[in-house]
Amino acid sequence: SQTIHQWPATLVQPVGSPLSLECTVEGTSNPNLYWYRQAAGRGLQLLFYSVGIGQISSEVPQNLSASRPQDRQFILSSKKLLLSDSGFYLCAWSLDLTGELFFGEGSRLTVL
Amino acid sequence: RKEVEQDPGPFNVPEGATVAFNCTYSNSASQSFFWYRQDCRKEPKLLMSVYSSGNEDGRFTAQLNRASQYISLLIRDSKLSDSATYLCVVGGTGFQKLVFGTGTRLLVSP
Repeated sequence: SQTIHQWPATLVQPVGSPLSLECTVEGTSNPNLYWYRQAAGRGLQLLFYSVGIGQISSEVPQNLSASRPQDRQFILSSKKLLLSDSGFYLCAWSLDLTGELFFGEGSRLTVL
Repeated sequence: RKEVEQDPGPFNVPEGATVAFNCTYSNSASQSFFWYRQDCRKEPKLLMSVYSSGNEDGRFTAQLNRASQYISLLIRDSKLSDSATYLCVVGGTGFQKLVFGTGTRLLVSP
């Protein structure tokens, strides 16, 4: 069966510090991968998606970046965090166009 | 107008009650519709897809009204464990980029 893991689960970072969130999927090949952010009281916002290794599409301009160095690995990064980057970050994968997304457990980021 | 709109609630209902949520969407070309459930501080999980003919899964019934551009979720015989936030999700054609609503919070009390 397929599984998805992301880490770390919780982190508190000062403004201006770097960020790296990692996500891996097991049990499937060539998944579509996604990074979402959920701010308090707001819906899930798609940040990045990837249909293959090295292929990254960005949905919103921001100081975040994503990379897909391997088929089942997706990384979210920032060189300098802003206060507004605080939120709940969710990695997800899907296989086809059915639309069913499978989410990781989430990473809760607080920027102080 | 938001692409996907939901009443944030909370809907407070007693156990055993029937409760219904609606969700409206603005893109008439939308092709796929889902309800996800999200527990507090957890990741969303698919509850059910919504088909044109409507579909039922146990106590849960989902309906799609393309003419009025809304989908609904009906929960019968509410359980305490149904307490959660229910996210309406709408997708377009081509690459599946889904739009999530902000969610409707349901609280089921004893």
